[in-house]
Amino acid sequence: GDSVTQMEGPVTLSEEAFLTINCTYTATGYPSLFWYVQYPGEGLQLLLKATKADDKGSNKGFEATYRKETTSFHLEKGSVQVSDSAVYFCALRGGPYTGGFKTIFGAGTRLFVKA
Amino acid sequence: NAGVTQTPKFRVLKTGQSMTLLCAQDMNHEYMYWYRQDPGMGLRLIHYSVGEGTTAKGEVPDGYNVSRLKKQNFLLGLESAAPSQTSVYFCASSPLAGGPHEQFFGPGTRLTVL
Repeated sequence: GDSVTQMEGPVTLSEEAFLTINCTYTATGYPSLFWYVQYPGEGLQLLLKATKADDKGSNKGFEATYRKETTSFHLEKGSVQVSDSAVYFCALRGGPYTGGFKTIFGAGTRLFVKA
Repeated sequence: NAGVTQTPKFRVLKTGQSMTLLCAQDMNHEYMYWYRQDPGMGLRLIHYSVGEGTTAKGEVPDGYNVSRLKKQNFLLGLESAAPSQTSVYFCASSPLAGGPHEQFFGPGTRLTVL
């Protein structure tokens, strides 16, 4: 079945450092890919998404490119801030003919950013 | 527009007690979901609904029941709570499939079973 694997955390960085959180997936067909972020004490919220190969999703300085050849969707940010400290989830959602109403989530990667 | 709301925010139960968690959404979404989040386990789907009056089992349905009598509400019930059900529960909703629709999450309910 479909699955998402993301790098284990926690990841600890200093402010203004470069961030990469790796995410790879296994899926049939052509899924949509997402990154969600969860701040302490809150629910998940969408950070960015990409719907087809080579699409780049971006938001708040974060970027991720849908790489079908490597089945990856790595999250990057050029300069992190303390306020980026959160848990990040990679996720995929299949098309309408492959159970597209369900989203598969990775285990989450906790990011700590030090001032 | 409140989005997805969950009631209650916190609850402590004794083993064997029952309770119902309420989820409400005001976005007219067809799909609704209940997840549990445990340390190191990510999100696991308990039950979901693809429309009013319909429900289906997810990944970890045992010990839970659900109902979707109205499109905007999705209830999660624990008939006889167990310590293994101590977790944070999230409700989510999304529009019909056919597009790259994300899920919208509620703020969560933190449940402790003693």
